[in-house]
Amino acid sequence: KAGVTQTPRYLIKTRGQQVTLSCSPISGHRSVSWYQQTPGQGLQFLFEYFSETQRNKGNFPGRFSGRQFSNSRSEMNVSTLELGDSALYLCASSLGLGGAGYGYTFGSGTRLTVV
Amino acid sequence: EDQVTQSPEALRLQEGESSSLNCSYTVSGLRGLFWYRQDPGKGPEFLFTLYSAGEEKEKERLKATLTKKESFLHITAPKPEDSATYLCAVQHLAGGTSYGKLTFGQGTILTVHP
Repeated sequence: KAGVTQTPRYLIKTRGQQVTLSCSPISGHRSVSWYQQTPGQGLQFLFEYFSETQRNKGNFPGRFSGRQFSNSRSEMNVSTLELGDSALYLCASSLGLGGAGYGYTFGSGTRLTVV
Repeated sequence: EDQVTQSPEALRLQEGESSSLNCSYTVSGLRGLFWYRQDPGKGPEFLFTLYSAGEEKEKERLKATLTKKESFLHITAPKPEDSATYLCAVQHLAGGTSYGKLTFGQGTILTVHP
């Protein structure tokens, strides 16, 4: 059974640019959550999507946005990149909203470096 | 606001030396407490979910317990392959826009020497 797939694995962008990250959940999972992981702040919740609708949102600026497609795949977009956006971005999928089912399974993440 | 504090920040053990990791939390109504293991360069790997005080779960050399204010991850006779960062996270009860949110602690870096 394939796990959560995130692409690309590594990304280098210039300050001011925008970036789009992709996440394919486990087959049958309908919820996708996004997290930012940094050495200083640890893992912080960005948002959760279920049935193509954003259901929950963390305390991040509007530059961080996302969407979910009908096949449950999700993308996250960060506009006007800042140096502080350098982080490991993790995607987690679950059967239902809020981790219903068997909790959350995480992907390996996308390492974003902003220079 | 939910808060999770893990201790110690780092723990070095000799192979076979049992110990415990602590996760203390403050949450307005606990839906679940999660333990994850994270290896360098990888995403967190699910270990356990605990839902109510008094609950215990075991998996190989790991045992997780839960009280009303904290959780412990006991590691019995650890091996070098148990070296990793162990993360604790809480999820609070349904309601509002933060229902699906996991609040993570900073993690405990465990190193097991042969």
